[in-house]
Amino acid sequence: DAGVIQSPRHEVTEMGQEVTLRCKPISGHDYLFWYRQTMMRGLELLIYFNNNVPIDDSGMPEDRFSAKMPNASFSTLKIQPSEPRDSAVYFCASRKWGRTEAFFGQGTRLTVV
Amino acid sequence: GIQVEQSPPDLILQEGANSTLRCNFSDSVNNLQWFHQNPWGQLINLFYIPSGTKQNGRLSATTVATERYSLLYISSSQTTDSGVYFCAVPPTNAGNMLTFGGGTRLMVKP
Repeated sequence: DAGVIQSPRHEVTEMGQEVTLRCKPISGHDYLFWYRQTMMRGLELLIYFNNNVPIDDSGMPEDRFSAKMPNASFSTLKIQPSEPRDSAVYFCASRKWGRTEAFFGQGTRLTVV
Repeated sequence: GIQVEQSPPDLILQEGANSTLRCNFSDSVNNLQWFHQNPWGQLINLFYIPSGTKQNGRLSATTVATERYSLLYISSSQTTDSGVYFCAVPPTNAGNMLTFGGGTRLMVKP
């Protein structure tokens, strides 16, 4: 398996623009997680899905953030409008049901100028 | 929620030295993972170790769940071991996601 695949790897955008981050989980995994990593806050969970259904979005910082998982092989994290403080590395991870380990994608480094 | 504390926060080693990284957590857990974030930012799975001891080459890990800590041992360190080491546990014993510690930043000098 190719692992968790995220795109793009890097994104630079202007404040106010819409940003869409994409994730393809490992095939057969039931859970998908979106994390954000910043120097100030470390790695924090934004939202996670189980079988394509959002379970916990309490980590989503504001209404400007939204996430979808239209099918088992694809998820998006959208920021609209983007702000400079959204600059961070965004990771997607997936794992199978049960006491199993999570695997992370390579991350998307977002810079909002 | 669960608290995850890692120590030391920073560590500088000479190549060839051994080290022990510690992860303390505030509640019982049924899942613990160690990750290495390399200088390129990739999060690499090292161990899935809710209890017991595992070894993989120069790395080994031990989790003592009853005492709420885990240790990561690095032997004969190499410059490629540099980066940040994270441990992560579920926020509750039944949680599905992972809560990360603050990490240990390791630099191995040649």
